[in-house]
Amino acid sequence: DQQVKQNSPSLSVQEGRISILNCDYTNSMFDYFLWYKKYPAEGPTFLISISSIKDKNEDGRFTVFLNKSAKHLSLHIVPSQPGDSAVYFCAASAQGQNFVFGPGTRLSVLP
Amino acid sequence: KAGVTQTPRYLIKTRGQQVTLSCSPISGHRSVSWYQQTPGQGLQFLFEYFSETQRNKGNFPGRFSGRQFSNSRSEMNVSTLELGDSALYLCASSLEHPPYNEQFFGPGTRLTVL
Repeated sequence: DQQVKQNSPSLSVQEGRISILNCDYTNSMFDYFLWYKKYPAEGPTFLISISSIKDKNEDGRFTVFLNKSAKHLSLHIVPSQPGDSAVYFCAASAQGQNFVFGPGTRLSVLP
Repeated sequence: KAGVTQTPRYLIKTRGQQVTLSCSPISGHRSVSWYQQTPGQGLQFLFEYFSETQRNKGNFPGRFSGRQFSNSRSEMNVSTLELGDSALYLCASSLEHPPYNEQFFGPGTRLTVL
């Protein structure tokens, strides 16, 4: 039973438009969330995080929104660039425990 | 500062064999975590080592084991390999115990079991 779900295996977006990647979780004890980006043949790299005491965190073109009542978070990339094409993983942690990762969403940004 | 390195990068084994993977963390990092990545499953947490002690363990059979040395380098061992063990094995290091300390991932070891 997956505690962290990313129901879209892939997403294609035109360059310059907004990319929205979604993540749902089932464990209400999760209190810290991360997004990682992964290019082929490389390890994942940290993108942005959010604590459950906040509902939004922004870093440049990347914004993460957290809706605790819906157990849903999303990553917005505006504007999308071809270099953003990668697999994006959502990860969640409960009270300092190790992360539970989602299966990932492959984002393709088309020029 | 050098990143996380993993050796070997690629490995082909047959069922029943055993394998040892190595991970060298970023200098000064004391925590090393191991993950298994398979298509459609994302990253599955295997275990975390901190100062040579296993701190956390994921839901994997006892065939999967690991250790950490005094210089923080870590090894992961899988015995009696099965076809389903074919995966990308990722190692991540952090200064202290995650999750509130950023984890830096290595490029992974691609294991193929025939």
